[in-house]
Amino acid sequence: QSVLTQPPSASGTPGQRVTISCSGSSSNIGSDTVNWYQQFPGTAPKLLIYRNDQRPSGVPDRFSGSKSGTSASLAISGLHSGDEADYYCAAWDDILSGWVFGGGTKLTVL
Amino acid sequence: EVQLVESGGGLVQPGGSLRLSCAASGFTFSSYWMHWVRQAPGKGLVWVSRINTDGDSTKYADSVKGRFTISRDNAKNTLYLQMNSLIAEDTAVYYCAKGDPQPYWGQGTLVTVSS
Repeated sequence: QSVLTQPPSASGTPGQRVTISCSGSSSNIGSDTVNWYQQFPGTAPKLLIYRNDQRPSGVPDRFSGSKSGTSASLAISGLHSGDEADYYCAAWDDILSGWVFGGGTKLTVL
Repeated sequence: EVQLVESGGGLVQPGGSLRLSCAASGFTFSSYWMHWVRQAPGKGLVWVSRINTDGDSTKYADSVKGRFTISRDNAKNTLYLQMNSLIAEDTAVYYCAKGDPQPYWGQGTLVTVSS
């Protein structure tokens, strides 16, 4: 049981825009920033979004993040097959004094 | 370029011990909190432990508390995870990660606990 709640799956067609939600509480998302990771099978997670809406160098602007209250969202526009991956949200938790993660969302491009 | 390279994983029997290392380069290691995160086969990401910059403050997930010890050597730019009393449920890829505000993860090292 993950501390942050994500839908287990999401899907879209090429060119479409999809969003993945992440729900937490006042001790994590509600009091700190959210990071998003992309993970392909057999590889390490790659930082996609940090501090809610910041993109690391090299991440296309098709990927965007937002946060409101105790929830956050990752949006992917111009979907293509190369975006098929698992996506995880993460945040600092003040009670745990460590990171908490969502259970991951498997994105399928139909 | 930031680099984190984990080592020390392998096959260990239940009840055994392993020490993971994470060699850091490309950033001022001593200025960042560091973390260990693990991922069991086919499962999601689970935070394991973190350590502050000086090494005098550590935290652990309940599942590893009392069995795992995180430490760091800022002179050697290296993070460690001493894992004792290993159980099958500890089987996972273990990632070291540079802390916020812009985390960076290593490629991971596989730990398999099995007889």
